[in-house]
Amino acid sequence: DAMVIQNPRYQVTQFGKPVTLSCSQTLNHNVMYWYQQKSSQAPKLLFHYYDKDFNNEADTPDNFQSRRPNTSFCFLDIRSPGLGDAAMYLCATSRDTLPHEQYFGPGTRLTVT
Amino acid sequence: SQQGEEDPQALSIQEGENATMNCSYKTSINNLQWYRQNSGRGLVHLILIRSNEREKHSGRLRVTLDTSKKSSSLLITASRAADTASYFCATDGAGTALIFGKGTTLSVSS
Repeated sequence: DAMVIQNPRYQVTQFGKPVTLSCSQTLNHNVMYWYQQKSSQAPKLLFHYYDKDFNNEADTPDNFQSRRPNTSFCFLDIRSPGLGDAAMYLCATSRDTLPHEQYFGPGTRLTVT
Repeated sequence: SQQGEEDPQALSIQEGENATMNCSYKTSINNLQWYRQNSGRGLVHLILIRSNEREKHSGRLRVTLDTSKKSSSLLITASRAADTASYFCATDGAGTALIFGKGTTLSVSS
């Protein structure tokens, strides 16, 4: 089945230690998104790729970076995780044509110790 | 900034009852979508309604859209314990990005 896969599902990192979360998709969608979701809150868009064009949200901290080496894969790099970065990180994909229905992966739960 | 705002924030009902959630938004839209999120999981797309539609059905789901009031409602009929989840409305923002509301947490007890 076509899907969005996130690895790992659970990640524990130390304060200040760089961490990378990965996302892959078999849907062949050209748009990929990264969201941060804290407990009992709505998903917050960090950035998205339209093909290889990177679109950063204005309030996304510089501590968060992303790479998309090809259509199928997208990575979220957190350069120096702080305690406030502990959250669920959701990857999603969509086509670039309306209605922009998004397909989500299961998420990676990040814990910062 | 958040576009959609759901109401109520939390809803508790018994199995078999209907659950209604409302969403309000601020700017004009092409479409409005509803997503479900089970605890600790990703979001699952439920239903989409276009700006020129007023009502849409999918199984036990019924969505209405009132563009003059910038509001939408999601009705789940004959609810089941498995419907326990958070429900988010989402509207299209700039480009392909969606803007999610804060969500309604639905608890269905048997």
